[in-house]
Amino acid sequence: RKEVEQDPGPFNVPEGATVAFNCTYSNSASQSFFWYRQDCRKEPKLLMSVYSSGNEDGRFTAQLNRASQYISLLIRDSKLSDSATYLCVVNMAYGNKLVFGAGTILRVKS
Amino acid sequence: NAGVTQTPKFQVLKTGQSMTLQCAQDMNHNSMYWYRQDPGMGLRLIYYSASEGTTDKGEVPNGYNVSRLNKREFSLRLESAAPSQTSVYFCASSEAGLGFLEDEQYFGPGTRLTVT
Repeated sequence: RKEVEQDPGPFNVPEGATVAFNCTYSNSASQSFFWYRQDCRKEPKLLMSVYSSGNEDGRFTAQLNRASQYISLLIRDSKLSDSATYLCVVNMAYGNKLVFGAGTILRVKS
Repeated sequence: NAGVTQTPKFQVLKTGQSMTLQCAQDMNHNSMYWYRQDPGMGLRLIYYSASEGTTDKGEVPNGYNVSRLNKREFSLRLESAAPSQTSVYFCASSEAGLGFLEDEQYFGPGTRLTVT
């Protein structure tokens, strides 16, 4: 089992739609979680950290479910500019290891 | 601020050739990292440096060497390139380091390397 797994997609959605991605992780002791965004042929950039209580930043909501060992990212009112690959990142808390998922591709169409 | 810069942006090597990828950051960060990104896989850590003068192996260090020249610069060297090293290489930096749970990493634009 991979340490961090994501549905690769692509998720093809119309503008204005709500879309959600899940990411599962293998180590129950993991302490911190992030979503990064990567545009085509560009570097990853931090979108948001995921806190245990869940957090929201505008149209983006991230949630953590420790019991089931997954984190989610919800995007409301999708924009064309949201088209990108979303990377789930987990700090494994052992060996100082940050593990990146392979990413979920989102395509928002007009 | 330029953030994290990398040179070159593109490189084609023949098997057995050597080269050094350069990385510099102007954010006064303590920690720096080298990753590779291959299709269908997440970024994998090659080496990292928690502070000037220290380096540690990551997940996939074989075939690579690194130098933390000073606080700003962290270079990655391929001594004898192999086709399996064809990849996109990203340098990153962060203020604290892997042991700090909320540490955000800032990435450079990447180097696209092809080994024939």
